[in-house]
Amino acid sequence: GNSVTQMEGPVTLSEEAFLTINCTYTATGYPSLFWYVQYPGEGLQLLLKATKADDKGSNKGFEATYRKETTSFHLEKGSVQVSDSAVYFCALSDRVQAGTALIFGKGTTLSVSS
Amino acid sequence: GAVVSQHPSRVICKSGTSVKIECRSLDFQATTMFWYRQFPKQSLMLMATSNEGSKATYEQGVEKDKFLINHASLTLSTLTVTSAHPEDSSFYICSASNSGLEQFFGPGTRLTVL
Repeated sequence: GNSVTQMEGPVTLSEEAFLTINCTYTATGYPSLFWYVQYPGEGLQLLLKATKADDKGSNKGFEATYRKETTSFHLEKGSVQVSDSAVYFCALSDRVQAGTALIFGKGTTLSVSS
Repeated sequence: GAVVSQHPSRVICKSGTSVKIECRSLDFQATTMFWYRQFPKQSLMLMATSNEGSKATYEQGVEKDKFLINHASLTLSTLTVTSAHPEDSSFYICSASNSGLEQFFGPGTRLTVL
């Protein structure tokens, strides 16, 4: 079945450090891929997405490229800030249409210190 | 972005009692709502998918008679945990989807069964 594997945390970085959170997936067909972020005390928010191979999603300085050949969707940011401290979830949807549930990774906690 | 609320945010109940959790889309009509369950340091696991006015579709292994889902309107879905037991203690998260691909998540409800 479909699944998502992301690196275990916590990830602890200093401000302005480079961030990579690895995410790989297993899926039949051509899934859509997502990164969600959950700030303390809040619900999950969509950070970025990509719906086909070689697409790059980007938002708030974060980027992730849909790599079909390596079945990966790694999250990167060149210079993290304290406000980026949160839990990050990689997810996939196996159909590009509304009403499709998401399959999530376990989440990676990022802690950024000044 | 669209806002989804959940109520209550936390609930503690005695074993054998029933607990109702509400999920509301505040500023859009949700044709589909999803209920997820999250154990500590684990993925969000889909429990069921509900469409307004029809019966929910439950994932394998989820007891439909124990986790009653009602999606009576385009802005409200409820999850009732019937005859709750300590093993039902968990973090329950709903999400709502309109006609687009994106899902909007509620902040979650922490259920503790004593």
